[in-house]
Amino acid sequence: ETGVTQTPRHLVMGMTNKKSLKCEQHLGHNAMYWYKQSAKKPLELMFVYNFKEQTENNSVPSRFSPECPNSSHLFLHLHTLQPEDSALYLCASSQEPSGRRTSTDTQYFGPGTRLTVL
Amino acid sequence: GEDVEQSLFLSVREGDSSVINCTYTDSSSTYLYWYKQEPGAGLQLLTYIFSNMDMKQDQRLTVLLNKKDKHLSLRIADTQTGDSAIYFCAVPIMAGNTGKLIFGQGTTLQVKP
Repeated sequence: ETGVTQTPRHLVMGMTNKKSLKCEQHLGHNAMYWYKQSAKKPLELMFVYNFKEQTENNSVPSRFSPECPNSSHLFLHLHTLQPEDSALYLCASSQEPSGRRTSTDTQYFGPGTRLTVL
Repeated sequence: GEDVEQSLFLSVREGDSSVINCTYTDSSSTYLYWYKQEPGAGLQLLTYIFSNMDMKQDQRLTVLLNKKDKHLSLRIADTQTGDSAIYFCAVPIMAGNTGKLIFGQGTTLQVKP
């Protein structure tokens, strides 16, 4: 699905580094999401933004800081991460936030950023 | 709380049918989804079914929904080696004013030549 792009595709960082993940959607959607996918764990929703406003923070540690400057762009700022934060970080977007009874809420995913924390 | 369960692994021979099952505890009355993830890739929307339907067929894919038992299944006819991937079911739920998708753990489908 080329409608949602993520950069970088791979990132290796030390625990003291600061880095950012970028997501861009070209679908005209209003809602954007960050997910974490670890080995042997279900896909974990981290953050939800709707019209640039954060509507969900799923008890994510403060070392992960999201930013949504507009409906097309979503960032995840990383600092002082731990090795257990190594995972695939997936971005998704949908026309409207998922779960509403009156709208399609299909989420389209980017290819992900494979993050390794040393 | 909301929960979506899938079996973790399924192995079939090329040309056979594959059936991947999913059970859930709660959902909003919208769409239920199946996603496919190939190695090193993100999740690709495979198909979906509206919650007032029992069945949806899309070429080799058949989705069955039993709302009473909260059971969703994905059947792949004439399974090919290119179908080898992880398959996730996803169920939307509303929590207050916030909606979100709850994903199952994913079923790894292995297709043997």
